[in-house]
Amino acid sequence: DTEVTQTPKHLVMGMTNKKSLKCEQHMGHRAMYWYKQKAKKPPELMFVYSYEKLSINESVPSRFSPECPNSSLLNLHLHALQPEDSALYLCASSHPYEKLFFGSGTQLSVL
Amino acid sequence: SQQGEEDPQALSIQEGENATMNCSYKTSINNLQWYRQNSGRGLVHLILIRSNEREKHSGRLRVTLDTSKKSSSLLITASRAADTASYFCATLETSGSRLTFGEGTQLTVNP
Repeated sequence: DTEVTQTPKHLVMGMTNKKSLKCEQHMGHRAMYWYKQKAKKPPELMFVYSYEKLSINESVPSRFSPECPNSSLLNLHLHALQPEDSALYLCASSHPYEKLFFGSGTQLSVL
Repeated sequence: SQQGEEDPQALSIQEGENATMNCSYKTSINNLQWYRQNSGRGLVHLILIRSNEREKHSGRLRVTLDTSKKSSSLLITASRAADTASYFCATLETSGSRLTFGEGTQLTVNP
């Protein structure tokens, strides 16, 4: 199994909603990542988990809250988002110093 | 913040021609990776070149790395319409945790 599975594929939420994005991999990778990508722009790193511990937080607003319950799962909890947070959210995983495997992303629209 | 700059931003060629994309970066790296992204989808890893390597081949892909100039190039030979996509270089910092993407090149291969 060389897949990273992200759910949901699409999400529409209001600014007062609370929602969660989920990501799962079964490749034994101990590093997992969240990236945000706006249209026609490169992915921007948000968070990195290494061995289930948060190792990098790229000064992301607190309305985005990551969680890594175990070595296979990564969540991104969303609360009180703004319209400018609308983007494609990508999860990825990897072995240390190796290539990243990306999920197909969650297209998020904040109304 | 984005480390890499890619050149050109957009490239349009005919099927069968070669496509060359260039990437420059600013800091010391552990490795440099190239990814491909079809519109609105997840990224697919193409090739990884380590900082002590100068050239690498994979099928129709050839990557070079010049650490003294902090630059890399991706050559796609005998292009096909199916190669139409966005191509991103990404640099892995020496600590191994942060993978930062360049601005990307939009390649269009006309049948």
